[in-house]
Amino acid sequence: EADIYQTPRYLVIGTGKKITLECSQTMGHDKMYWYQQDPGMELHLIHYSYGVNSTEKGDLSSESTVSRIRTEHFPLTLESARPSHTSQYLCASSEASYGYTFGSGTRLTVV
Amino acid sequence: GDSVTQMEGPVTLSEEAFLTINCTYTATGYPSLFWYVQYPGEGLQLLLKATKADDKGSNKGFEATYRKETTSFHLEKGSVQVSDSAVYFCALRSRPTGANSKLTFGKGITLSVRP
Repeated sequence: EADIYQTPRYLVIGTGKKITLECSQTMGHDKMYWYQQDPGMELHLIHYSYGVNSTEKGDLSSESTVSRIRTEHFPLTLESARPSHTSQYLCASSEASYGYTFGSGTRLTVV
Repeated sequence: GDSVTQMEGPVTLSEEAFLTINCTYTATGYPSLFWYVQYPGEGLQLLLKATKADDKGSNKGFEATYRKETTSFHLEKGSVQVSDSAVYFCALRSRPTGANSKLTFGKGITLSVRP
């Protein structure tokens, strides 16, 4: 039973469109993360948050932006989607001393 | 900085074969170590973890022992099944755990098990 939810699971969208990928968790975790997963399956951290109104860029530069207005919600936005944004996006949350809980991911295709 | 190195893949085995997936790490202090599994079309799930040297994590027939002397956390299973086909990620979390503590992942390795 998932405690972290990502929507949509799959999205096909045209170039130039604005999109928001949703991520919500019900565990009350302060820390949340967005990863981009390449076709070789390697994970790249693109954004993270340690609490409300706290967001930081990750190790991989991304044109996306994030916000953290509520503890449970950590949406990712692309203002103008491009084919290079085609990827799998994974959201995760954690408590301080434990591992991460991941959502099922959003597979984005920009045509 | 912290890093995790996994053996190169992919790995293809026949059902009931013995599995070993190598993982070594570099970290300051004494990190916590994790194995995650990603089934096709899904997110990552925690498979097992170990938080101190000589600890053995185990779950679903998989085991891994935290070896400080060799900085390793190799994943093993005595008899794999077709349902074990997935991508496996080794990860570490440095101590002290606090506001700036994040997981460092290896590149992942794809396991395919043939009937």
